[in-house]
Amino acid sequence: AQTVTQSQPEMSVQEAETVTLSCTYDTSESNYYLFWYKQPPSRQMILVIRQEAYKQQNATENRFSVNFQKAAKSFSLKISDSQLGDTAMYFCAFMKLHTGTASKLTFGTGTRLQVTL
Amino acid sequence: DGGITQSPKYLFRKEGQNVTLSCEQNLNHDAMYWYRQDPGQGLRLIYYSQIVNDFQKGDIAEGYSVSREKKESFPLTVTSAQKNPTAFYLCASSTAGLASNEQFFGPGTRLTVL
Repeated sequence: AQTVTQSQPEMSVQEAETVTLSCTYDTSESNYYLFWYKQPPSRQMILVIRQEAYKQQNATENRFSVNFQKAAKSFSLKISDSQLGDTAMYFCAFMKLHTGTASKLTFGTGTRLQVTL
Repeated sequence: DGGITQSPKYLFRKEGQNVTLSCEQNLNHDAMYWYRQDPGQGLRLIYYSQIVNDFQKGDIAEGYSVSREKKESFPLTVTSAQKNPTAFYLCASSTAGLASNEQFFGPGTRLTVL
């Protein structure tokens, strides 16, 4: 079974600064996906960024980027130029690659990020 | 607009009663999922379905039941056997197969047992 660990329950960052959220995972699989989801106060889950394990290049989406270290089983999220709208709960998630079946997500416990003025 | 709807947004039930949470999607997705969210525990998978008339237990299926009679709909019943049903429930859907690497989530239902 896979496990996902987020060791930072809460973090705070000032507007326009950079913050990094940590995530580690444990798996014996070689093919998988990793995700960061954002859950703002509305509680709607929003996909922030994804990483395919077979890709060495780190994924980026505008101000969001990841540092994927496959050997270390580490998948951190960097938010640059933080904005007030980034205030949310952030979940790291793991998905084993399946063929022809539903793809189950395993989530970490989340990091609550507060962006301040 | 394509998306996932869950109803109701807030639901209250008395202890010992069964209650059904609705989930509908118009994304033409084959796979659908139910997650439970508790404070400090992230999301945990209750049940999932990859096709009509088929569904599988997730990690915490005890006390829950589902049906998948239509592609668009995947209702979740919280039975009286569920010992601690108060939680936030999220429904999600995705395409099946190798391309199914993103799940789309509904807005959730907050269930409170009185």
